[in-house]
Amino acid sequence: ILNVEQSPQSLHVQEGDSTNFTCSFPSSNFYALHWYRWETAKSPEALFVMTLNGDEKKKGRISATLNTKEGYSYLYIKGSQPEDSATYLCAPLKANDYKLSFGAGTTVTVRA
Amino acid sequence: ETGVTQTPRHLVMGMTNKKSLKCEQHLGHNAMYWYKQSAKKPLELMFVYNFKEQTENNSVPSRFSPECPNSSHLFLHLHTLQPEDSALYLCASSQDTSRTTGELFFGEGSRLTVL
Repeated sequence: ILNVEQSPQSLHVQEGDSTNFTCSFPSSNFYALHWYRWETAKSPEALFVMTLNGDEKKKGRISATLNTKEGYSYLYIKGSQPEDSATYLCAPLKANDYKLSFGAGTTVTVRA
Repeated sequence: ETGVTQTPRHLVMGMTNKKSLKCEQHLGHNAMYWYKQSAKKPLELMFVYNFKEQTENNSVPSRFSPECPNSSHLFLHLHTLQPEDSALYLCASSQDTSRTTGELFFGEGSRLTVL
């Protein structure tokens, strides 16, 4: 099990504003990083799976970057909307393993 | 709809009861997982099955007993639980455990309360 830190634990953002938050993980033996979005009373859903240093992925207004050398990933939400309110989980994967280690998540609340 | 269905969604049981949680996936996946989420804590992996074989037991107490009769179904049998076992239990599936960049597909969870 890897030590995964997500910060901040929670944040509030005004509708239309952009925001970002961080996932930190051990850089040694890195293989992949998963991001999931978990809306209240629903199931967590995968946003991105990232493997390459410097990789950037985008899905609509949400994007993520990855730095495997220093062990962090940023997730960005551009022009936040109320439907973006959710807990965002990151989960790195070590090489030669299949078990994800989840962070505690960043809970985003978008105020209309 | 993720293709992973968990029942029941809510369960209240006494410490002496025996109950089971059920998970079913319609995605043709070969790996299935049980996770536990306690309040304010990260998702904690409990068990993994790959092609019906248990490949991971993350030091889970024996009062939790998993069963995987086929690749589409996963059960978690509960017996003489403690109040601290109250949590959200999530089931997930993936193609199989060798495809490690494959995402997990989660159910909506079973909220367990132990009195």
